[in-house]
Amino acid sequence: GENVEQHPSTLSVQEGDSAVIKCTYSDSASNYFPWYKQELGKGPQLIIDIRSNVGEKKDQRIAVTLNKTAKHFSLHITETQPEDSAVYFCAASPNFGNEKLTFGTGTRLTIIP
Amino acid sequence: EPEVTQTPSHQVTQMGQEVILRCVPISNHLYFYWYRQILGQKVEFLVSFYNNEISEKSEIFDDQFSVERPDGSNFTLKIRSTKLEDSAMYFCANGWGETQYFGPGTRLLVL
Repeated sequence: GENVEQHPSTLSVQEGDSAVIKCTYSDSASNYFPWYKQELGKGPQLIIDIRSNVGEKKDQRIAVTLNKTAKHFSLHITETQPEDSAVYFCAASPNFGNEKLTFGTGTRLTIIP
Repeated sequence: EPEVTQTPSHQVTQMGQEVILRCVPISNHLYFYWYRQILGQKVEFLVSFYNNEISEKSEIFDDQFSVERPDGSNFTLKIRSTKLEDSAMYFCANGWGETQYFGPGTRLLVL
């Protein structure tokens, strides 16, 4: 089955700086890669996703890149703000609809004011 | 973003008791999922459900677990005889195609 690894487990950055979180996956059949943000006591919130036919996707301060050959994808947050502090999870699925998500282990991002 | 809601938000139960966790899905989103997250760990898949049938289940989803849509709208997860290790956050997710939206979760504590 799919295995998703995520690094780093914790990340602290100064407000205004950029943050990068990296994930690797094992199953070449995976084609859909969402990123979720989880705030304390809440459910995972989808913040951005990318499909395998796209190498990069951007939404305001958030971008995701995908290297399908190397089986890794990354989340980039620019101009970080205190409200970006949360746990971020990457995930992967085969993208055939109704397929389970396999999650990474999470990254606790702390933005230092 | 569309919202999935879950009840209760917290549930405390004694070991061996049955619990039912409920989820109100997004209208017209026909794929349903349950995931769980043990404190401090990653989110783990339990089961997916479509067209009133289980599509896939993980090895965690043993005979003590069941899912249904009792009234064609709400989506429930039942644990027949809870164990201490069932203590976790349980998330319902709902979607169409590959995109999944998660509810706020039910925190289950088994004593």
